[in-house]
Amino acid sequence: QKEVEQDPGPLSVPEGAIVSLNCTYSNSAFQYFMWYRQYSRKGPELLMYTYSSGNKEDGRFTAQVDKSSKYISLFIRDSQPSDSATYLCAMTGRRGGSNYKLTFGKGTLLTVNP
Amino acid sequence: NAGVTQTPKFRVLKTGQSMTLLCAQDMNHEYMYWYRQDPGMGLRLIHYSVGEGTTAKGEVPDGYNVSRLKKQNFLLGLESAAPSQTSVYFCASQPDRGGLKDTQYFGPGTRLTVL
Repeated sequence: QKEVEQDPGPLSVPEGAIVSLNCTYSNSAFQYFMWYRQYSRKGPELLMYTYSSGNKEDGRFTAQVDKSSKYISLFIRDSQPSDSATYLCAMTGRRGGSNYKLTFGKGTLLTVNP
Repeated sequence: NAGVTQTPKFRVLKTGQSMTLLCAQDMNHEYMYWYRQDPGMGLRLIHYSVGEGTTAKGEVPDGYNVSRLKKQNFLLGLESAAPSQTSVYFCASQPDRGGLKDTQYFGPGTRLTVL
């Protein structure tokens, strides 16, 4: 079993739709969870950052962590064509030294159609 | 701040040739990383550094070498390029301030083709 599983999609939705992106993981030591957004032919950029379980909201984006189920989600409300990108989940455990390494999902390709 | 920059942006090599990819960051970050990204494989860690003068192997280190002689620079070398090293290479850096936002910030990538 891979440490982090992410449905690669592709996912295609109409403008204004609510998008749900998900990752599951197997390592119970993971405590810090991130979502990166990667536009075509660009580097990943940090979108959301959460620690432990719970929800975090930033504008149209909500990150949700359920550590009991080892499941994280990213919700995008009122999706826009500019949200079209690949979304990568990433996570890490206790911090310090080599423990700063991130484990990434393979990414989900999202297209929002006007 | 320019953030994380990578040189060159594109390169085509022939099998057996060597080259060095340069990563530079102006954010005084302690940690630096080299990844490769291939379709269907996601981001895979090649080598990383936890400080000036240190390097360590990641998930896929074979065929690559690295050096971090200066804190702001992290070099990735291919001594004898192979077609399997055709990929997009990303560099990332990370601060060590003990805060929740201590995560990785990526460069724009280098597209390498080995013929």
